[in-house]
Amino acid sequence: DAEITQSPRHKITETGRQVTLACHQTWNHNNMFWYRQDLGHGLRLIHYSYGVHDTNKGEVSDGYSVSRSNTEDLPLTLESAASSQTSVYFCASTKQGSQETQYFGPGTRLLVL
Amino acid sequence: AQSVTQPDIHITVSEGASLELRCNYSYGATPYLFWYVQSPGQGLQLLLKYFSGDTLVQGIKGFEAEFKRSQSSFNLRKPSVHWSDAAEYFCAVGARNTDKLIFGTGTRLQVFP
Repeated sequence: DAEITQSPRHKITETGRQVTLACHQTWNHNNMFWYRQDLGHGLRLIHYSYGVHDTNKGEVSDGYSVSRSNTEDLPLTLESAASSQTSVYFCASTKQGSQETQYFGPGTRLLVL
Repeated sequence: AQSVTQPDIHITVSEGASLELRCNYSYGATPYLFWYVQSPGQGLQLLLKYFSGDTLVQGIKGFEAEFKRSQSSFNLRKPSVHWSDAAEYFCAVGARNTDKLIFGTGTRLQVFP
């Protein structure tokens, strides 16, 4: 069955370290999204991509970057982790078209000490 | 700018009671509207979505939602809640010219036996 996976599921890191969170989908979806979930804020969009080599900033993109070298993967990099980036991160994907459902991965819980 | 408001942070109901979760949106045109559910430690799962046509939308797990343009609302309802419905519920709005979603801050539902 097609799916969307995230790794690692849990990560502890130190302030200043570079961290990369992986997202992989097997639906061949064009669109992929990264969100962070924090209490009181719901899900906020970090970065998104509409296809290979396309990346766009969301509402909370500072301190994060993404790259899209193939259809299946959209890794999220924290260049220099900060305690404010402690959060739960969700990846999602969808076929092209704003009526399409976004399918979510299981999430990565990141703790920055 | 688009926005979504879920005024109830936490709702508690008894098993078998009816449920209504509120969602209000701000958008200049007719939006695409979604309700997602998140069980503890899980990703988000789509319950239902509205694009056009009949303003009463049926979803999975016995949920329905009604789009009311005059009130800018898209409230989620269920006639009889089950203990397994305990979760966090997110309303989201999507623009018709983009594949992005804006999420509300969520409503946590607790169900007592």
